[in-house]
Amino acid sequence: QSVLIQPPSASGTPGQRVTISCSGSSSTIGSNTVNWYQHLPGTAPKLLIYSNNQRPSGVPDRFSGSKSGTSASLAISGLQSEDEADYYCAAWDDSLNVVFGGGTKLTVL
Amino acid sequence: QVQLVQSGAELKKPGASVKVSCKASGYTFPTYTISWVRQAPGQGLEWMGWISAYNGHTNYDQRFQGRVTMTTDTSTSTTYMALRSLRSDDTAVYYCARSVVGATPVDYWGQGTLVTVSS
Repeated sequence: QSVLIQPPSASGTPGQRVTISCSGSSSTIGSNTVNWYQHLPGTAPKLLIYSNNQRPSGVPDRFSGSKSGTSASLAISGLQSEDEADYYCAAWDDSLNVVFGGGTKLTVL
Repeated sequence: QVQLVQSGAELKKPGASVKVSCKASGYTFPTYTISWVRQAPGQGLEWMGWISAYNGHTNYDQRFQGRVTMTTDTSTSTTYMALRSLRSDDTAVYYCARSVVGATPVDYWGQGTLVTVSS
């Protein structure tokens, strides 16, 4: 059981907007920032969002993040086939451990 | 550009130990920590711990306490992760990744090292 809770799967059709949630607690998301990663099979995870809602250079603005209280969300607009991947949220906890969500498998129908 | 380059795949027998290396380049090595994260087949990402490249301070996940040792060599900007008493469920891809303690959990990742534990 992961410390951060994500839905195991999500899906959408090309062009749609999908959101993936990440639920934590007061000692994780409630007091620390959230990162999101995209993970394609056979490759290293890629940073998509850092500090809740910031995009590294090179990440399309179709990807956006938000945080409220002890939960965070990743939104992908204008869904494309190449967005099909696993998505993970992560945060520090108050003991300076990194905690991950269990991952969400996104399927583009 | 920031790069983390890991050592190659390993095949180990149950009960053995493994040591994976991670060489950093493209940034000031001592100003960041290195985390180790693994992914078992069909499973999610699992954080194992971090080591400060500045002073060698470590923080291990309690699930790995007593079995994992992380070290760093600042002269070569290389970090090592050693895991002992290997079991079949330690079979996984092991990643090193750059962290800022209390700020960014992980930003840049190594390419991953497959460790297979099998008799």
